[in-house]
Parts: sequence; structure tokens; C-alpha cells
Amino acid sequence: NAGVTQTPKFQVLKTGQSMTLQCAQDMNHNSMYWYRQDPGMGLRLIYYSASEGTTDKGEVPNGYNVSRLNKREFSLRLESAAPSQTSVYFCASSADPDLTNEKLFFGSGTQLSVL
Amino acid sequence: EDQVTQSPEALRLQEGESSSLNCSYTVSGLRGLFWYRQDPGKGPEFLFTLYSAGEEKEKERLKATLTKKESFLHITAPKPEDSATYLCAVRSNFGNEKLTFGTGTRLTIIP
Repeated sequence: NAGVTQTPKFQVLKTGQSMTLQCAQDMNHNSMYWYRQDPGMGLRLIYYSASEGTTDKGEVPNGYNVSRLNKREFSLRLESAAPSQTSVYFCASSADPDLTNEKLFFGSGTQLSVL
Repeated sequence: EDQVTQSPEALRLQEGESSSLNCSYTVSGLRGLFWYRQDPGKGPEFLFTLYSAGEEKEKERLKATLTKKESFLHITAPKPEDSATYLCAVRSNFGNEKLTFGTGTRLTIIP
């Protein structure tokens, strides 16, 4: 039972390059999220998808785009990477935040460095 | 704006030495307070959800409690495998799906 799978685990980009972070969950969850974690700042929500076919901005969406490809997959794209986007990125999923105990399941993260 | 402050930032305990971690919060109507555990190089792992003042939840050596202004994570007779960063988060009754996370307490249990 894999849970939430993120790829890649590590990535180094040059300023201006683009890339897509992939996330897939095998728990048949409705909602999926992208967070970033920076030292001294806590986890911050970038984008989320409450259900297949919908996406919404979180706290720090600038410089990112997302695609909910199907119920399982939720990708995060950096169109033109900037050093300020150096961070650890986590994908998460939950069954249904409005009805359950809102338990989030997290992937193991992608460590991204933008030079 | 919702805020979460965790203290201390880091805590070192001897194996078997009980202690508590603090999570102070301000939120416009608390929908839920969450505790997560995060091991180095891993994503956070859910521990507890608390919904109302006075509520308590337990799991092995951990017990979480909630008041109107703060939550405590009590660790009784900890073992080295309890070493991790413990994250607190709150969700408001208002607004979107956003959880506001604290910066965590890094707990080290020395054998």
C-alpha cells in the first residue's frame, strides 16, 4: 500500500527553468494538496483540489500552476523557477475534509533547489 | 489571521523523562486542531485531531489536550523512537481548506 507517492525526490534547477512535480495517491481520496516547507516558516498551502476537476489557490500560489489529471494524480508546475522557490514540497491527500477528521496523508517530499 | 506558535523550538530529554510540548493558537472559530509527527526526510504523519476545549486523545506514550487558547502534547516515559519534529496545525470555521501550521518542536530522546 504505497499511500502518496511523489517524484522526483530531489531536483536542482537553474533560474528560469521549468519543471513539474508529480504526485499520485492510491487511497481513492477526493482531496489533494500541495504544500511547501521552509525553515522557520511551517508548512504553507500552495494549491489544493477539493475534488476531481477542481483546483483552488492556497496561501502562496504565485509562480505555480497545478493540474488535477484524474482522481489519483495532482501535479505542480513551476513555469520559470526562481531562487525563492527553493524549498521542500509535499503533496498530501485526504478522504473528505468536510466529513471526516480531516486527516491528511503526506508524501515523502521533493527537495528542490533553484540556483 | 490564524496563528500557531509552538514551544519550545527544540527539546532534549533523557529516555523515560516525561514532558510536554505547547501549541498556542489564535483562530476565528476553531474547527479543529491537529498534531502531526515528522521524521527527518519524511512527510508529516497524522497523530490526533481535537475539536473542542477539554477534549483529550491518547496514543501509546502521547496524550494531546486542548483548551480555548492552547494545546499540549504530553509525552510520558519517552523512548528514542519518539524522537521527531512534532507539528501543530489549526483549521478555522471560516475560509477555505487551509490549515495553518506551526513551525514545530524538534524532540530528541537520549538513550
